[in-house]
Amino acid sequence: GENVEQHPSTLSVQEGDSAVIKCTYSDSASNYFPWYKQELGKRPQLIIDIRSNVGEKKDQRIAVTLNKTAKHFSLHITETQPEDSAVYFCAASRTNFGNEKLTFGTGTRLTIIP
Amino acid sequence: DTEVTQTPKHLVMGMTNKKSLKCEQHMGHRAMYWYKQKAKKPPELMFVYSYEKLSINESVPSRFSPECPNSSLLNLHLHALQPEDSALYLCASSRLLSMKEDTQYFGPGTRLTVL
Repeated sequence: GENVEQHPSTLSVQEGDSAVIKCTYSDSASNYFPWYKQELGKRPQLIIDIRSNVGEKKDQRIAVTLNKTAKHFSLHITETQPEDSAVYFCAASRTNFGNEKLTFGTGTRLTIIP
Repeated sequence: DTEVTQTPKHLVMGMTNKKSLKCEQHMGHRAMYWYKQKAKKPPELMFVYSYEKLSINESVPSRFSPECPNSSLLNLHLHALQPEDSALYLCASSRLLSMKEDTQYFGPGTRLTVL
């Protein structure tokens, strides 16, 4: 089955600086890569996703890049703000019309230092 | 309605109790999921229902019994649980109509404590 590795496990960044979180996956058939943000005691919330036919996607301060050859994808957050502090999970799945299995990375605890 | 809702928010039960968790969505999504999340860990998939039929069971112990009475509702029946089953139980749903409709949206979860 799929295995997703995520680094780093913790990341502290000065407010206004950029943060980068990296994930690798093992199953070359995986074609969907979402990123979720989870604040303490809250639900995981989708912040951005990318499909295998796209190399990069951007939404305001958040961007995701995908390298299918290396089986590697990354989350980039620019101009970080205190409200960006949370745990971020990457995930991978293969579209299977009802049998999708999201495999999550182990999570990155991001702390924005004011 | 663009949300997945779950009840109750918190549940404390003894090892001999029988209880149920409820999940509801009114977004017309046809796939629904149960996940278990322990503290400081990622969500772990338990069950997947697509078109109200169980499509994936990740070798979950029989003390957890899922049910999908209709396309909007998903239940998780609990019986004879162990203290190690204490966790946040998350429900999710996805549209399931085409290749680009598999984004999963999570409910707020039920925090379960087994004494």
